[in-house]
Amino acid sequence: DSGVTQTPKHLITATGQRVTLRCSPRSGDLSVYWYQQSLDQGLQFLIQYYNGEERAKGNILERFSAQQFPDLHSELNLSSLELGDSALYFCASSVGGKHEAFFGQGTRLTVV
Amino acid sequence: GENVEQHPSTLSVQEGDSAVIKCTYSDSASNYFPWYKQELGKGPQLIIDIRSNVGEKKDQRIAVTLNKTAKHFSLHITETQPEDSAVYFCAPQPPGYALNFGKGTSLLVTP
Repeated sequence: DSGVTQTPKHLITATGQRVTLRCSPRSGDLSVYWYQQSLDQGLQFLIQYYNGEERAKGNILERFSAQQFPDLHSELNLSSLELGDSALYFCASSVGGKHEAFFGQGTRLTVV
Repeated sequence: GENVEQHPSTLSVQEGDSAVIKCTYSDSASNYFPWYKQELGKGPQLIIDIRSNVGEKKDQRIAVTLNKTAKHFSLHITETQPEDSAVYFCAPQPPGYALNFGKGTSLLVTP
């Protein structure tokens, strides 16, 4: 158990809908990262937050957004969903940006 | 951005043999070099890492070697066991950036 909790584990939704994925980092970790894993693209970095502030952006679509709350949990919002958004979404946390990152179990999103 | 390549993409070894996976990166500023193991249905798990001021690090059956000049680092697993079967990812990290994952190597250890 990495100490990073993601909910829900599975999510099935229709095209055009909006979903929210939730991540609780390890106790004491200030950085949260979101990654998307699909079969053909591997693990793609989406966005990083550090202590409530956006720190870095990767290949995140405009339809996607995230935030980190004062209690350090984070949410990833995916809107206007398309079939191609079906993937595993992972959250990871670390103490800071230079330390080991620990991953949650992921949320499997299926868009139908 | 950083270009990361892993080789091989699949690797099959017999139990007890050694396995080596190589990761090549492009950003010479990278200074943190971790390897992650991902089992089916689980998130990636850090198994070993090395920083740029060290050339080699060992943890029981697992070792990582770094060649900063050539911009590559390798994962070495000795005395492989069936439970080593998984997908392994390298993820070199330049300062101020997130981990940049390779496409993964699927390792199968057959009894």
